[in-house]
Amino acid sequence: NAGVTQTPKFRVLKTGQSMTLLCAQDMNHEYMYWYRQDPGMGLRLIHYSVGEGTTAKGEVPDGYNVSRLKKQNFLLGLESAAPSQTSVYFCASRRGRETQYFGPGTRLLVL
Amino acid sequence: KNEVEQSPQNLTAQEGEFITINCSYSVGISALHWLQQHPGGGIVSLFMLSSGKKKHGRLIATINIQEKHSSLHITASHPRDSAVYICAVTGNQFYFGTGTSLTVIP
Repeated sequence: NAGVTQTPKFRVLKTGQSMTLLCAQDMNHEYMYWYRQDPGMGLRLIHYSVGEGTTAKGEVPDGYNVSRLKKQNFLLGLESAAPSQTSVYFCASRRGRETQYFGPGTRLLVL
Repeated sequence: KNEVEQSPQNLTAQEGEFITINCSYSVGISALHWLQQHPGGGIVSLFMLSSGKKKHGRLIATINIQEKHSSLHITASHPRDSAVYICAVTGNQFYFGTGTSLTVIP
């Protein structure tokens, strides 16, 4: 099993550009999460999904959209990137009340 | 207001020392997690516990539900233990501490 994978690993965007981050898991987990990690701050939840076709807002959802069209994939979109969205993005998944499994992260730099 | 507080923020130890990292939380939880993040960035779950104590190799995690406090202990620390250790709790959602950066010097 590959576990949780994220694409791309690193990306540089200009302000106003759009992009989609892909998270994929092969563990048949119901729950999937997108977090951002910034220096001096804990991981913060952007959006999450409790199952295929459902999504919900987390702590810091503004400027992001998500979709979960297939159970194994959770996409995070930035429609118009801003420098404040420079961060490291982590995807995670879990089954039921088990622990989360994290992806390797995506480093995003918005100029 | 941080729902999860960790101490210390930074910790340097000599190889072989016994290490303790503390976590206090202010929300009702169903579980507490200890995560490890190495300099490469990847995050790995070390423990998930809702009561008592768990042990895995040289790592021990304890939780006191009444006091809303957990500790992560590392016995006989080694330079490969150098990482950021993150406490997280599961309540209505996941809440994360800001992490404890541990450096173990040979």
